[in-house]
Amino acid sequence: AQSVTQLDSQVPVFEEAPVELRCNYSSSVSVYLFWYVQYPNQGLQLLLKYLSGSTLVKGINGFEAEFNKSQTSFHLRKPSVHISDTAEYFCAVTRLNTGGFKTIFGAGTRLFVKA
Amino acid sequence: GAVVSQHPSRVICKSGTSVKIECRSLDFQATTMFWYRQFPKQSLMLMATSNEGSKATYEQGVEKDKFLINHASLTLSTLTVTSAHPEDSSFYICSARTLTRTGTNNEQFFGPGTRLTVL
Repeated sequence: AQSVTQLDSQVPVFEEAPVELRCNYSSSVSVYLFWYVQYPNQGLQLLLKYLSGSTLVKGINGFEAEFNKSQTSFHLRKPSVHISDTAEYFCAVTRLNTGGFKTIFGAGTRLFVKA
Repeated sequence: GAVVSQHPSRVICKSGTSVKIECRSLDFQATTMFWYRQFPKQSLMLMATSNEGSKATYEQGVEKDKFLINHASLTLSTLTVTSAHPEDSSFYICSARTLTRTGTNNEQFFGPGTRLTVL
């Protein structure tokens, strides 16, 4: 079975501080990994993705994530956050096998950036 | 980039009525479309996967007679919530996958969502 665990439901942080949002996954097959951001009453916006190759992935808005296969993790990081980064962040795992293309989302992490 | 639209963005209806939500891929052909449901402060739950021209595949626990999905063309899928009740109130998000753009066939593009409120 495939699952995604976001270890923190809420992460409060001061503006200009670094932040890490944690994501662990489990899957019996190869997967692709994604981070999405969702602002209130809006759809999802792709921040970054890991399909293959370099394990350090850089995305939009200064975010990056590192794929760690041995720890089955894909933590999201940003060295200095802004007030505008306040949003809900979802880690997602997509498998592509004979069972089809299926994406599972984590429960989400609410990033709250304080002035 | 690939754009997915949803219409309407917000709908309020009376209990017992049916509501149709449209999902369109604007600049690409979507061979597969997905429908998700999101309750407040919760994650997205996959409801069903639809491939153009064939019946949708529903996730366990999702009533196919309640949530009718039609994917009649490569750019349009519809979700009809039949005989809606207050517990159907939710944020419905569609996404589309394309196989026609090199290097992006493992990515989904998401619509902006439809907020359904059933009174």
